[in-house]
Amino acid sequence: AQSVTQLDSQVPVFEEAPVELRCNYSSSVSVYLFWYVQYPNQGLQLLLKYLSGSTLVESINGFEAEFNKSQTSFHLRKPSVHISDTAEYFCAVAGAGSYQLTFGKGTKLSVIP
Amino acid sequence: IAGITQAPTSQILAAGRRMTLRCTQDMRHNAMYWYRQDLGLGLRLIHYSNTAGTTGKGEVPDGYSVSRANTDDFPLTLASAVPSQTSVYFCASSVDRGGADTQYFGPGTRLTVL
Repeated sequence: AQSVTQLDSQVPVFEEAPVELRCNYSSSVSVYLFWYVQYPNQGLQLLLKYLSGSTLVESINGFEAEFNKSQTSFHLRKPSVHISDTAEYFCAVAGAGSYQLTFGKGTKLSVIP
Repeated sequence: IAGITQAPTSQILAAGRRMTLRCTQDMRHNAMYWYRQDLGLGLRLIHYSNTAGTTGKGEVPDGYSVSRANTDDFPLTLASAVPSQTSVYFCASSVDRGGADTQYFGPGTRLTVL
């Protein structure tokens, strides 16, 4: 079984400031890791994912996340946020060979003008 | 536009009534899922289907049933709605039900049970 902990339920940040959304996981097997984003009144959509290879993965809109096996973390970062990044962000984990995708409880990012 | 559609967008329902939430995908994905999203709890899997003709139980299946008669449709039925089933329901699909597969989500159905 696996679990996900998103350490912050809400993160307010000023526009153009950097942000880090924290995610820790637990699993007894190797994992696949995901960040999904949910904009207001919409469904979730994939932001980025780690399957294997380079531990640093990037999205097309400037977010990046680094898989850290020793710390069992997959924190999401962006060096300069925009108003349009206001959304809820969900970290998710699936164990290799498992069918189960487990979501964290979400972090609401609010970008302040 | 390819993707997942859900109907209705929102619904207010009296307790004890039967309700079916509809979900259709046009991506020819094998796997489909139903989640509920509640404030502070994130998304929880209700039921899933690996392929047409098969279904399975997720984390919170009680009070819900599903069917998968064909590849495209995956309806979720509440046989006798209760207030604790007030939630936002999301349907999702993926090419296959593998841990590495990206899941694609519909826009959601907001259900209120009074």
